[in-house]
Amino acid sequence: QTVVTQEPSFSVSPGGTVTLTCGLSSGSVSTSNYPSWYQQTPGQAPRTLIYSTNTRSSGVPDRFSGSILGNKAALTITGAQADDESDYYCVLHMGSGIWVFGGGTKLTVL
Amino acid sequence: EVQLLESGGGLVQPGGSLRLSCAASGFSFRSYAMSWVRQAPGKGLEWVSSLSDSSGSTYYADSVKGRFTISRDNSKNTLDLQMNSLRAEDTAVYYCSKGVGGTTFAKYAFDMWGQGTLVAVSS
Repeated sequence: QTVVTQEPSFSVSPGGTVTLTCGLSSGSVSTSNYPSWYQQTPGQAPRTLIYSTNTRSSGVPDRFSGSILGNKAALTITGAQADDESDYYCVLHMGSGIWVFGGGTKLTVL
Repeated sequence: EVQLLESGGGLVQPGGSLRLSCAASGFSFRSYAMSWVRQAPGKGLEWVSSLSDSSGSTYYADSVKGRFTISRDNSKNTLDLQMNSLRAEDTAVYYCSKGVGGTTFAKYAFDMWGQGTLVAVSS
């Protein structure tokens, strides 16, 4: 069974840039996996940041961007702010309508 | 403004059943695929099931296949999830999510989310 991999944790300095990745335990991520990214703070519903690799959801600032880097999907946050400190999840379409989430990355801004 | 309001959660015994509902407003409900995503306490997100705009196509995670049934009523703008043979591992907050639109499987990606409803399976 293919697992979607994310860094368990990451830290970034205020104003800095960070790139989170989303990979597969077997194989490469492509645009055909329609990678999407979500931000979640404790006790809150997820917030959609990016879908279909690089399309920002409504209201999401352009300092959040999505891409394919090598064999992984990537979420880049530029000009990190204190309220970016959250859990970030990616999800991939594995074919035939099946979606698999990664385990999430806990981002610390300090 | 898009709004998704889940209801129907609660405490149920193992082996029992529960029906979740999601009331949608603020968008053309019949034009979008819809999904359920869950989150066990202290854990990550898990996709549960998706349904096409016309109800012609349904998809389920292996963990719920054969036990859960997703459905929608486009005349009432509601999405349901019938959950049978519930297990302790089904305990989670269940979120209703609107798709992003389109014509490929990309349309099922999760765009807007409700606040969730808690399902607790315990004796």
